[in-house]
Amino acid sequence: DTAVSQTPKYLVTQMGNDKSIKCEQNLGHDTMYWYKQDSKKFLKIMFSYNNKELIINETVPNRFSPKSPDKAHLNLHINSLELGDSAVYFCASSRDVETQYFGPGTRLLVL
Amino acid sequence: AQSVSQHNHHVILSEAASLELGCNYSYGGTVNLFWYVQYPGQHLQLLLKYFSGDPLVKGIKGFEAEFIKSKFSFNLRKPSVQWSDTAEYFCAAQSRSGSARQLTFGSGTQLTVLP
Repeated sequence: DTAVSQTPKYLVTQMGNDKSIKCEQNLGHDTMYWYKQDSKKFLKIMFSYNNKELIINETVPNRFSPKSPDKAHLNLHINSLELGDSAVYFCASSRDVETQYFGPGTRLLVL
Repeated sequence: AQSVSQHNHHVILSEAASLELGCNYSYGGTVNLFWYVQYPGQHLQLLLKYFSGDPLVKGIKGFEAEFIKSKFSFNLRKPSVQWSDTAEYFCAAQSRSGSARQLTFGSGTQLTVLP
């Protein structure tokens, strides 16, 4: 029944590793997003996909690469993880410009 | 540049007190406005939203917000808070023009309600 789901919920890894976070929505939405919430709770958009096409790519290092295999999924792959990547990553989805629904978040800790 | 400001970083209230959290936005063009709540360790949940029409909008859990265009404000209010309202509150704005649909968030306001 979960509308927007993310896996894993927690991710602890070493610097330099490569990791992926998965996001799935079962709401039939056409737009999906990745947001990053830092240690001060500040939320910022990273990427946005509409119908599997990238429409927003904010100033994010190219170590971050989103992949949308279909409209219901938007995964985030991170190469060569750095300490500063530690944060909570939220996936969200919406139907066009309507309300965005957020996933439970993935808490990433880079050691 | 688009921005959203929340001037109250931490608000502490006793139960039954009234609440008002400030939110101001700076955007070129018309915007949609939102308030989200994040309970400890949980994801963001929508409290209420304003797209158009009546500038006083009512949301869940007794919250309401008023859009004042002349002040570029969208303040959140609740007449009587409860302990369970303890959470982080985020104001957000979204441009209605163009293909970009991302939300621009304020820095959040931590509300602590004392029993």
